[in-house]
Amino acid sequence: DVKVTQSSRYLVKRTGEKVFLECVQDMDHENMFWYRQDPGLGLRLIYFSYDVKMKEKGDIPEGYSVSREKKERFSLILESASTNQTSMYLCAAHSAYGYTFGSGTRLTVV
Amino acid sequence: AQSVTQPDIHITVSEGASLELRCNYSYGATPYLFWYVQSPGQGLQLLLKYFSGDTLVQGIKGFEAEFKRSQSSFNLRKPSVHWSDAAEYFCAVGARGSQGNLIFGKGTKLSVKP
Repeated sequence: DVKVTQSSRYLVKRTGEKVFLECVQDMDHENMFWYRQDPGLGLRLIYFSYDVKMKEKGDIPEGYSVSREKKERFSLILESASTNQTSMYLCAAHSAYGYTFGSGTRLTVV
Repeated sequence: AQSVTQPDIHITVSEGASLELRCNYSYGATPYLFWYVQSPGQGLQLLLKYFSGDTLVQGIKGFEAEFKRSQSSFNLRKPSVHWSDAAEYFCAVGARGSQGNLIFGKGTKLSVKP
């Protein structure tokens, strides 16, 4: 099975900080995704990547950027964190078995 | 527009009772269909998926789902619910053979009464 690891389960950051959320997958999958999950809104796609150094905007990219320097690692960057970015962030990798998700990072911006 | 609708925000069933969670989709082509489960504070775990073939799909934990093209539905069922099934359930659709993302419903929270 594919394993997707998000480095932090819980993060607390201050408004205006630059925040990095890291995601690593253990298979050689091209496709990786970052979702944001909020109560009543479900999962919304922020960014995704088809390959190294490639990225595509999802439905809600504003305030975020991503980095994919190596195939196994896909980082989500909050350039200047704001309180409305307090949320659960989920990373996923796509394989023939479907989409495998990490355990999520719950980010609180204070 | 592509979309997934889960009409029930919250369902409560008694332990041992049967369960059906509804999912309707709007999609331009024949999609891939998925059901995921999320326990509190956890990521999403794949319960089952439909790509092609038999429209009744068996998944993990005793769940099954039936793809009905005429109704654009992919309802999740379980004949006898266990207390450990209490979680949030998400239906999702994805494009066939593409690298595209999944489109999720807003989820149905399942509570189980003893």
